[in-house]
Amino acid sequence: GAVVSQHPSWVICKSGTSVKIECRSLDFQATTMFWYRQFPKQSLMLMATSNEGSKATYEQGVEKDKFLINHASLTLSTLTVTSAHPEDSSFYICSAIERGPRLWGNTEAFFGQGTRLTVV
Amino acid sequence: RKEVEQDPGPFNVPEGATVAFNCTYSNSASQSFFWYRQDCRKEPKLLMSVYSSGNEDGRFTAQLNRASQYISLLIRDSKLSDSATYLCVVHMNTGFQKLVFGTGTRLLVSP
Repeated sequence: GAVVSQHPSWVICKSGTSVKIECRSLDFQATTMFWYRQFPKQSLMLMATSNEGSKATYEQGVEKDKFLINHASLTLSTLTVTSAHPEDSSFYICSAIERGPRLWGNTEAFFGQGTRLTVV
Repeated sequence: RKEVEQDPGPFNVPEGATVAFNCTYSNSASQSFFWYRQDCRKEPKLLMSVYSSGNEDGRFTAQLNRASQYISLLIRDSKLSDSATYLCVVHMNTGFQKLVFGTGTRLLVSP
């Protein structure tokens, strides 16, 4: 099946620094990528939807200036957590939808392995 | 009201039992529906899509009721390996595309 590679798988950073997370679709073109955050024992919360070549659409309550999303190509989207603080510590995971003629109903979302961010 | 709601569980069942999970969604613009499985500290993986006519894959059966905005997943003959969190996922198009997850229902299958 299709593969989405997310990097890094874990990162520890100091408070106030910025962290960039990459999400790559390895064997397909992804016009749409989603970024989620998951706190312990909680559900995946959609942060933003990233469309190739256009600005990301952020969910209510997600600061677009803090969580910078770039989707410059059909195979790469990045999430940058700027000026990270301990409360940003979480599991961040991306998902990609394959571009193609298939209808949404028949299209699977593929997930990266996730990035565990710890801000100290 | 949350866009996608599930009973968080946990559901504790013995091996061989039949268990059903329910999910409701609030947005009538919802287009496609999926069940994903997530193991502890891992990424979600697609279990099955949910079609209007209902669909079955081995021990798993998914149903969709658009009128009631309700989705279900039935697992028959539960195995220990079925222990996981089951996520109801809804694709919506409200001017832009988005995939929304339910909180997940945790299943624990015991010997």
